Amino acid sequence: DQQVKQNSPSLSVQEGRISILNCDYTNSMFDYFLWYKKYPAEGPTFLISISSIKDKNEDGRFTVFLNKSAKHLSLHIVPSQPGDSAVYFCAASGSRLTFGEGTQLTVNP
Amino acid sequence: DVKVTQSSRYLVKRTGEKVFLECVQDMDHENMFWYRQDPGLGLRLIYFSYDVKMKEKGDIPEGYSVSREKKERFSLILESASTNQTSMYLCASSLGRENEQYFGPGTRLTVT
Repeated sequence: DQQVKQNSPSLSVQEGRISILNCDYTNSMFDYFLWYKKYPAEGPTFLISISSIKDKNEDGRFTVFLNKSAKHLSLHIVPSQPGDSAVYFCAASGSRLTFGEGTQLTVNP
Repeated sequence: DVKVTQSSRYLVKRTGEKVFLECVQDMDHENMFWYRQDPGLGLRLIYFSYDVKMKEKGDIPEGYSVSREKKERFSLILESASTNQTSMYLCASSLGRENEQYFGPGTRLTVT
């Protein structure tokens, strides 16, 4: 039972354009959501988070949107840079973190 | 900066061997976690610990055990390694249960 799903295994965008990564969840008890970024041969690193009492959180080029009624969150990266190429995991927190499958983002120069 | 270190970056073991993966964190975090990462499956929780000598099963504990004798150290044990345990193993720690987790660099384990 996959409670957190990232339906796109991969995404390719041009440098300077917007990257939108999506994540859906099923458990309405989740109250905190996070995005992690992972480069090959490294552990995931925390990128940005959002509490369920908000619908948007922004940090520089990264913005996370939360739509609780749709149980959907998205990560927007604008403008995208080649160094953003990585696997992005969304995670949802109830009593513990549950991760999605990940989306491989490739930003082409 | 939080530092989570794992004893090996790459490990090759034979089927049936006992395997120890060590994880140490230096930020006095209460909580520690072991995950495995496989393509298309994301990060799956194997075991976690909210305190010394305490352990809880995650989503896929079969074939694994853990040990937490000291707050800073959390060990993952494969009692009898099998080829389906070939994976990337990631250790993480956090201050609170719902707080963001800090990950180690991972151990790429190959069981032949």
